Amino acid sequence: ETGVTQTPRHLVMGMTNKKSLKCEQHLGHNAMYWYKQSAKKPLELMFVYSLEERVENNSVPSRFSPECPNSSHLFLHLHTLQPEDSALYLCASSQDFGVETQYFGPGTRLLVL
Amino acid sequence: DAKTTQPPSMDCAEGRAANLPCNHSTISGNEYVYWYRQIHSQGPQYIIHGLKNNETNEMASLIITEDRKSSTLILPHATLRDTAVYYCIVTSKGGTSYGKLTFGQGTILTVHP
Repeated sequence: ETGVTQTPRHLVMGMTNKKSLKCEQHLGHNAMYWYKQSAKKPLELMFVYSLEERVENNSVPSRFSPECPNSSHLFLHLHTLQPEDSALYLCASSQDFGVETQYFGPGTRLLVL
Repeated sequence: DAKTTQPPSMDCAEGRAANLPCNHSTISGNEYVYWYRQIHSQGPQYIIHGLKNNETNEMASLIITEDRKSSTLILPHATLRDTAVYYCIVTSKGGTSYGKLTFGQGTILTVHP
């Protein structure tokens, strides 16, 4: 499946760094999502965008800042992260918000030192 | 959303049918049953979903009991590539869970040669 791509696939950053994760969907979908998957924990929904507007912010700390410049691209800007933020960050898209058939990217494996 | 209960792990021989159960005894009338799977180090993949009728697609079959309190995902001829974590998710089309997928711990299916 290459409908949803994510870059980079792996990222190591220090706590004072600023980095960005990128997601691109080639499916013509209108909704995009960020999920976090920590070791041995279930996937957690972080943010939802519908038609480039944020419709859900699931109590995520402000050191995570999403951006959706258009319906095909989604970014997650990271700054002053903590080691406990190390996780797999997954992007997904769906035809519209409220459609539970979501298509996921391969994820970015993030390590915060 | 209704809570789901799945066995933590199951084994299956290659070429045999894999039957993965899910209990959702508190499911309400407008809630759908979705199945996703996550192969190691990849993003989740949509498999199938249903409301009350049994469903079949190219990947699997979904059998929902008449009282809708449980369901079974059937992979008719399991292959080694079907080894993954399988998630049963119950979600509604409205309310506070609108558009959200809540992933639990899932069932780790291991297909043996």
